Amino acid sequence: KNEVEQSPQNLTAQEGEFITINCSYSVGISALHWLQQHPGGGIVSLFMLSSGKKKHGRLIATINIQEKHSSLHITASHPRDSAVYICAVRANDKIIFGKGTRLHILP
Amino acid sequence: GAVVSQHPSWVICKSGTSVKIECRSLDFQATTMFWYRQFPKQSLMLMATSNEGSKATYEQGVEKDKFLINHASLTLSTLTVTSAHPEDSSFYICSARDPTNEKLFFGSGTQLSVL
Repeated sequence: KNEVEQSPQNLTAQEGEFITINCSYSVGISALHWLQQHPGGGIVSLFMLSSGKKKHGRLIATINIQEKHSSLHITASHPRDSAVYICAVRANDKIIFGKGTRLHILP
Repeated sequence: GAVVSQHPSWVICKSGTSVKIECRSLDFQATTMFWYRQFPKQSLMLMATSNEGSKATYEQGVEKDKFLINHASLTLSTLTVTSAHPEDSSFYICSARDPTNEKLFFGSGTQLSVL
């Protein structure tokens, strides 16, 4: 079993829909990152969380340390949000990545 | 603008040659940088953790003699793929940790193709 599990693996939605991507982990962590990888490969760090909730524009990230679970939400989704979203946790100074969620927003 | 610069973006080389990839932090001094590899449609895999002024820490299964990492300054880490073979063809990406806020910033990646 992977130490970081993401769901769903693939998600196709219509423009404007509310999107939720989930991440569960099984190790003790000091921080959790949500990353966005575009088709060209470039990676952007969206959020770093150690507790609670963060919001940036249309993106919201939450984490529940007790349940070892985090969610990334996208409100009013747009085709430009199409990308792979990756959950990564920092555990003992190592970084463990989920396999990513491939999001495709249709116009 | 980018705070971590990775160069080159892509490289094609012949089997047996060595390739150097550079990762620079532009806006902060990165005591720790990370190198990752990603095969098509697979997740990122951490290869090694690079600490300024000391030897890199390699993940299990990563050959340290093949993937030479040098972190000679607080703003530069290099990954050299020595005697590259076609199976080394992959997407390599670095990240740097800003010690003032623990945030990670990623380079734009290097697509290596070994013929």
